[in-house]
Amino acid sequence: GENVEQHPSTLSVQEGDSAVIKCTYSDSASNYFPWYKQELGKGPQLIIDIRSNVGEKKDQRIAVTLNKTAKHFSLHITETQPEDSAVYFCAALNSGYSTLTFGKGTMLLVSP
Amino acid sequence: DTEVTQTPKHLVMGMTNKKSLKCEQHMGHRAMYWYKQKAKKPPELMFVYSYEKLSINESVPSRFSPECPNSSLLNLHLHALQPEDSALYLCASSQEGLQHYEQYFGPGTRLTVT
Repeated sequence: GENVEQHPSTLSVQEGDSAVIKCTYSDSASNYFPWYKQELGKGPQLIIDIRSNVGEKKDQRIAVTLNKTAKHFSLHITETQPEDSAVYFCAALNSGYSTLTFGKGTMLLVSP
Repeated sequence: DTEVTQTPKHLVMGMTNKKSLKCEQHMGHRAMYWYKQKAKKPPELMFVYSYEKLSINESVPSRFSPECPNSSLLNLHLHALQPEDSALYLCASSQEGLQHYEQYFGPGTRLTVT
């Protein structure tokens, strides 16, 4: 089955800095990669996703890049703000199913 | 609108109790999911319903019993739970079919088994 590795497990940045979270996946047939943000006491919120026919996607301050050859994808957050503090999960769609395999999560702390 | 609602928000139950968790979505999604999430861990898939039929059961103990009464509702019936079942239970939904992969999560039910 699919295996997703996520790094780092924790990330501390100063407000205004950029943050990058990286994930690798094992199944070369995976074709969909979402990112979720989970704030304390809440459910995961889909913030951006990318499909395997695209190399990069942006939405305001967040962007995701995908390298299919290397089987890795990354989340980039620019001009970080304290409200970006949360746990971020990457995931990969299991080929042949409609299920997701999640990475272990990254706790992002943005200090004012 | 990408809203999935779950009730109750919090639930405390004893090991001999029977309770139910409820999930609802009105996005016309035909796939619905139950996940279990322990603290500092990613969501762990329990069940998948597709067009109101159970399509995936990830070897979940029988003390958890899912039900999908119609395309908008998903229940999780709980009976004789153990303290280690205490967790955040998340519901999610997505459209079915090729190219429809986005899963939207509800806020979860925080379950404590005493």
